[in-house]
Amino acid sequence: GEDVEQSLFLSVREGDSSVINCTYTDSSSTYLYWYKQEPGAGLQLLTYIFSNMDMKQDQRLTVLLNKKDKHLSLRIADTQTGDSAIYFCAESDRSNDYKLSFGAGTTVTVRA
Amino acid sequence: DAGVIQSPRHEVTEMGQEVTLRCKPISGHDYLFWYRQTMMRGLELLIYFNNNVPIDDSGMPEDRFSAKMPNASFSTLKIQPSEPRDSAVYFCASSLRGGIEKLFFGSGTQLSVL
Repeated sequence: GEDVEQSLFLSVREGDSSVINCTYTDSSSTYLYWYKQEPGAGLQLLTYIFSNMDMKQDQRLTVLLNKKDKHLSLRIADTQTGDSAIYFCAESDRSNDYKLSFGAGTTVTVRA
Repeated sequence: DAGVIQSPRHEVTEMGQEVTLRCKPISGHDYLFWYRQTMMRGLELLIYFNNNVPIDDSGMPEDRFSAKMPNASFSTLKIQPSEPRDSAVYFCASSLRGGIEKLFFGSGTQLSVL
C-alpha cells in the first residue's frame, strides 16, 4: 500500500542478523504487523506490536517501533536459510482495526 | 483444522471469460477477507465480510468484480468478464476478530488472463 513503505530487497549471510525497515503514515494505527510469505504460499503472521509499545521480542525476532518517526523495524537474529522469504509490514486502518494496509514487501535472501 | 482453503490453485483463462475463485475459511472464524497481490500494486484488500455480510467493498476495482458469502464456510470472488489486467494472485484470509487477531491466509489462486 501507498501508506506503508519498505525497501524491496535485503541480502544477508547465514548466521548474521537481518534488519528490515518500514515506514508508515497513519499515526493513529493501533497495531503494526510483520508477515512472512514463503514461495507459493500465503502470508503468515510473524509478530505484531501494539502502538503504545517501543519494543517486542519473540525468540529470534525483535520489533522496534519509533512512533515519532513512524518507523518500524524487524530484526532477525542468527538468520537461517529458512528465513529467506518476503516480509511484509502492515498497519491497521485508523478508522477500522480490521483493515490492514500492507507494504510492498522486502525480499530477504539468505546466502551461505 | 486444515487452514484456509482456496481453489483452484491456478487458473488460466481467456479474456472475456467468467472466473470464479473459491474460499473456505477456518471453521469458527467470523471475518473473511479477499486480497489481490500484484507486482505493481502489492497486496490490496478487495472486500471483507463479517458474519457472512459484506462490510467494506471499497477495494473492489470495478463492477466486473463481485463477491459473495452464502454461508459461514464458503465465499466466492467472481470476475465477469475477465481482462488481462486482472492477472494476479488472489488470497483469501480469515480471522476470529478481524485484523487484531491473527489473520490466516490461504495459499492463493494464481490467475492468468490471456
